[in-house]
Amino acid sequence: SAVISQKPSRDICQRGTSLTIQCQVDSQVTMMFWYRQQPGQSLTLIATANQGSEATYESGFVIDKFPISRPNLTFSTLTVSNMSPEDSSIYLCSVEVYRAYNEQFFGPGTRLTVL
Amino acid sequence: GDSVTQMEGPVTLSEEAFLTINCTYTATGYPSLFWYVQYPGEGLQLLLKATKADDKGSNKGFEATYRKETTSFHLEKGSVQVSDSAVYFCALSPQILDNYGQNFVFGPGTRLSVLP
Repeated sequence: SAVISQKPSRDICQRGTSLTIQCQVDSQVTMMFWYRQQPGQSLTLIATANQGSEATYESGFVIDKFPISRPNLTFSTLTVSNMSPEDSSIYLCSVEVYRAYNEQFFGPGTRLTVL
Repeated sequence: GDSVTQMEGPVTLSEEAFLTINCTYTATGYPSLFWYVQYPGEGLQLLLKATKADDKGSNKGFEATYRKETTSFHLEKGSVQVSDSAVYFCALSPQILDNYGQNFVFGPGTRLSVLP
């Protein structure tokens, strides 16, 4: 398994500001992902964080709004830029471990409220 | 594309009642199937999994059987407790083609409330 921590666990931010969320894994993993979970909704994949190169974004998400860094195999950051109330969500980091099948482990999430 | 459908919630049960949460999927080949649970204020935790047809995943009294013929992975528990109140997500991982890069697909989630 993989143990994942996220910082901050929650934050309340003002419209127009940016917040950077950190994700730390206790072991080296190849695949790291960022998800958004809007209130009462399921998970939506934002992007795959690629080590040493630009992240791969899903349809509807762009680098200018959600810049992602992944400097090594155990750490990644997601920035939510120029925030609006519609960005209020839980942001989840996950990693995928391969053991003859792919299994995903999730961090505890960052609960973001934008006023 | 691949998809996962779950029964709509919320589901409200009394303690010790029998639980079934239906999950069906659409995918090519033989995906791996998962149930994740999200307790209030927390992230997702893997509850159980099954990686091939007829496998039964089980954990904490919950069970689900991978049924290829009906493309289903229904979650069951014989006697629920108040502490089982959470949101349950069914998910699939597409059949591995190159070991990595196959995105998970999550269902919409089913909220379960268990009353004492």
